[in-house]
Amino acid sequence: DQQVKQNSPSLSVQEGRISILNCDYTNSMFDYFLWYKKYPAEGPTFLISISSIKDKNEDGRFTVFLNKSAKHLSLHIVPSQPGDSAVYFCAARRIGSSGSARQLTFGSGTQLTVLP
Amino acid sequence: NAGVMQNPRHLVRRRGQEARLRCSPVKGHSHVYWYRQLPEEGLKFMVYLQKENIIDESGMPKERFSAEFPKEGPSILRIQQVVRGDSAAYFCASSPVTGENTFGSGTRLTVV
Repeated sequence: DQQVKQNSPSLSVQEGRISILNCDYTNSMFDYFLWYKKYPAEGPTFLISISSIKDKNEDGRFTVFLNKSAKHLSLHIVPSQPGDSAVYFCAARRIGSSGSARQLTFGSGTQLTVLP
Repeated sequence: NAGVMQNPRHLVRRRGQEARLRCSPVKGHSHVYWYRQLPEEGLKFMVYLQKENIIDESGMPKERFSAEFPKEGPSILRIQQVVRGDSAAYFCASSPVTGENTFGSGTRLTVV
């Protein structure tokens, strides 16, 4: 049972345009969401996160939007650059008082290709 | 300030052998997590450890797999009697008490 879904395995955009990566989740217990970026042969790198008490978080060219009622979040990258080409993973976790809630549940990833 | 160090980067084992994967967390991080990534899939949680304690091993197969994070030294993920289906990338992450996970570059295990 996939609790975090990224339905688009790949996305291509032109340099300078906006990239929009989407993610859906099913578990209502998730209340903290993260995006990671991964290059081949490297580990995932944290990009940006959002708590469920917010609907938007912005950091430079990266903005994450959360629609809690739809259980949907998206990552916007604008303007897109060729160096942004990578696999982007959506992840979720429950914030809890016990340590066992710290694990992340990942989506299957979206390969973003930014064309020069 | 070194990040999470995993070794080896690549590991080839024959069916039935043992695989040992090592992870040194970021200095000062007391939480370690192991994840497995199969081809074309996302990372799947396996086990969460703090020093000398397993906090959550709900994602780890009950047989052949074990993990430890001793008081001194790296965290070890051990797979006994490996099978072809164990071939995957294994990622370790560490975090402080509060803060985001920092991932290592992974160990790519190939079982032949």
